Formats: sequence, C-alpha cells, structure tokens
Amino acid sequence: DADVTQTPRNRITKTGKRIMLECSQTKGHDRMYWYRQDPGLGLRLIYYSFDVKDINKGEISDGYSVSRQAQAKFSLSLESAIPNQTALYFCASAGGATPDQETQYFGPGTRLLVL
Amino acid sequence: GQNIDQPTEMTATEGAIVQINCTYQTSGFNGLFWYQQHAGEAPTFLSYNVLDGLEEKGRFSSFLSRSKGYSYLLLKELQMKDSASYLCAVRDPTGGSYIPTFGRGTSLIVHP
Repeated sequence: DADVTQTPRNRITKTGKRIMLECSQTKGHDRMYWYRQDPGLGLRLIYYSFDVKDINKGEISDGYSVSRQAQAKFSLSLESAIPNQTALYFCASAGGATPDQETQYFGPGTRLLVL
Repeated sequence: GQNIDQPTEMTATEGAIVQINCTYQTSGFNGLFWYQQHAGEAPTFLSYNVLDGLEEKGRFSSFLSRSKGYSYLLLKELQMKDSASYLCAVRDPTGGSYIPTFGRGTSLIVHP
C-alpha cells in the first residue's frame, strides 16, 4: 500500500463550489504539506503543518484552507472554487527538521478542474 | 527572498551522461534536494546535499558548492526511463521553518 494517499484522484467542479481534498499518510510523520503544480511553475506551497496543532500558510494560501484532523490526516479545502485553481495538487509528508528527515514523500496527486 | 534557477528543458541520448544544473540565491542554506518526477506522477526523492562535494548513488550523483550557490545532478548511462522532470529544492532556515522551496524543474528528454 502507498505511504501517502490522496482522494479523490480526479475532480471536476464548478465555479463557486466548496470542495475538499484529503490526504493520509502511514509513515508516522509529523510534517505534512499541500502543494499545487501548474505547467511551467513547478511546485508551490499552499499550507504546511508540523504537528496537529500547528498550521502555517505557504506561498499561495489565498482561497484555500486546511485542517489537520490527526497526525496522519491533512485535508485541503477550496472555499469557493475558481477556474484558476485548476491544477495538480500534491500532498507530502516528512519526518522532521534535519535535512535527511526533511525528505518529502508525495502522494499520487489530485487533478482538479474548475469549470 | 529565494531564487532557484534550472534550465527548462534538456535532451540527451540513451547511454550518454547529462548534467542538470541548479543555481540558487537564498537568505540562508540548510540543504539542497533533488527529486525526479515522471509525467503525471508524484515527485520521488533522489538525493540531498548539505556539505560541499559530490554524493554518488548508483547512476545518479549530486554535487554542491555552497560558496557558488550551485548544484548539479549528474545522470550516467542514460536510459529511456530517465525521461522525466528533475526538481531542485533548497532549504532555507531563515524564519525558522526550514521549508524547502522548489525550482521550476528541468524536463529531460532521452532519445534513442
């Protein structure tokens, strides 16, 4: 079984709808991240969490919110989806603060299309 | 601020050697990572460098020069399956988060 899972894998929604993307990891990691990837722009950080009580904004948090329900679960919500949120979304986890612990393990991605 | 530069695209021949460069300008430095990402798939970890020098892992090696803000990923004996995007990411301890920032990636095309 995959260490980091994401649901759904694909999603089509309409402008203005609220949607949630879910992420779970079985690696026992404290650190979890949400990224979006757009062609030519690389991975951009949306939100990150270092433990259940810790939530931090990343580079592009506007229009998004997150919830860290448990050490293993980190969900991303789009409050009111808009077409420029169409992208490939990745969740990742990492074990800790040292460089080798900061190696990130990525989920398979959620491809989101906002019409 | 952080600025990480990689070439957008490179092509190489099967069996050859290719070097993918990454230059960075960051407020601080605490490690540089390389990830491989096949089209439509998740990035997977290849290597990281904290100290200057070369780290070798089979066909892949990564080099770091902190004074020059420069790293490269060297791929030897290229195979068709090495066609992928290669992402450079730098950890900056400024602000205390140590979150890696990713470059835009280099798309490598290996042809027969």
